[in-house]
Amino acid sequence: GIQVEQSPPDLILQEGANSTLRCNFSDSVNNLQWFHQNPWGQLINLFYIPSGTKQNGRLSATTVATERYSLLYISSSQTTDSGVYFCAVGEGSGGSNYKLTFGKGTLLTVNP
Amino acid sequence: NAGVMQNPRHLVRRRGQEARLRCSPMKGHSHVYWYRQLPEEGLKFMVYLQKENIIDESGMPKERFSAEFPKEGPSILRIQQVVRGDSAAYFCASSPGAGYGYTFGSGTRLTVV
Repeated sequence: GIQVEQSPPDLILQEGANSTLRCNFSDSVNNLQWFHQNPWGQLINLFYIPSGTKQNGRLSATTVATERYSLLYISSSQTTDSGVYFCAVGEGSGGSNYKLTFGKGTLLTVNP
Repeated sequence: NAGVMQNPRHLVRRRGQEARLRCSPMKGHSHVYWYRQLPEEGLKFMVYLQKENIIDESGMPKERFSAEFPKEGPSILRIQQVVRGDSAAYFCASSPGAGYGYTFGSGTRLTVV
C-alpha cells in the first residue's frame, strides 16, 4: 500500500512563530487531506488538497502531486494550534480514493 | 448543521461483552467511514459504507467486528465479545461523495476492562 511520511515528528514553537510541516507519499494520489487533532482528541479537517495551493486564515497548504509531497504552513502560531497534524492520502478501487492512509503525524506544541 | 455525531463519547465494557458504537453523518452526506486509533498504530481505516451497503470492509478484523448503515438511523459499529486489545478510539467520518473532504466525529473511546 501507499506509504505516508511526515516530518518533523515533533515541533516546539513560541507563540507568534511560523512553521512548515511536510508530508511525503510514495505513489500518485488524487485525494490528500490535512487534519488537526486537538488535545481533546477531536479531528478537524483543515484542507482537502490533492493538488495546488489553498489558504484559510493563518494556515495554508500546497501539494505538488508530481513530486509526491505536500506542505502545511502555519503562520503566527497560537497556543490553540497545539496538537497533532496528520496528513492523509486516499487510495481505493475504481478511481475512488476514499480509503485514507494516515501518516504518523507531527506533534506541535506552541508555548505562550 | 450539527456535524458528525458519535455516541457514546466514552464506553467501558468488560471482556466478553458487546460494544455498539453509533454514528450519524452530517446532513446531506451519504458516505460513512470508520477508523480506529491505537497509540502504537495510528489511525487505520476499518470500513466504508453507503446507505444499506458495505462498500469496503478490508480494514475490519475478520471476527467479532461488524458494521451497518441502515436506510433509517445511524451507522453502527458492533464489536462482539470484546477483548482488551479492542481498547481504542473509534472515529466515524462522513463525506458528500467518495474521495471528498471528510468530516470526523468526536470519536468513541472504548475501554475494555
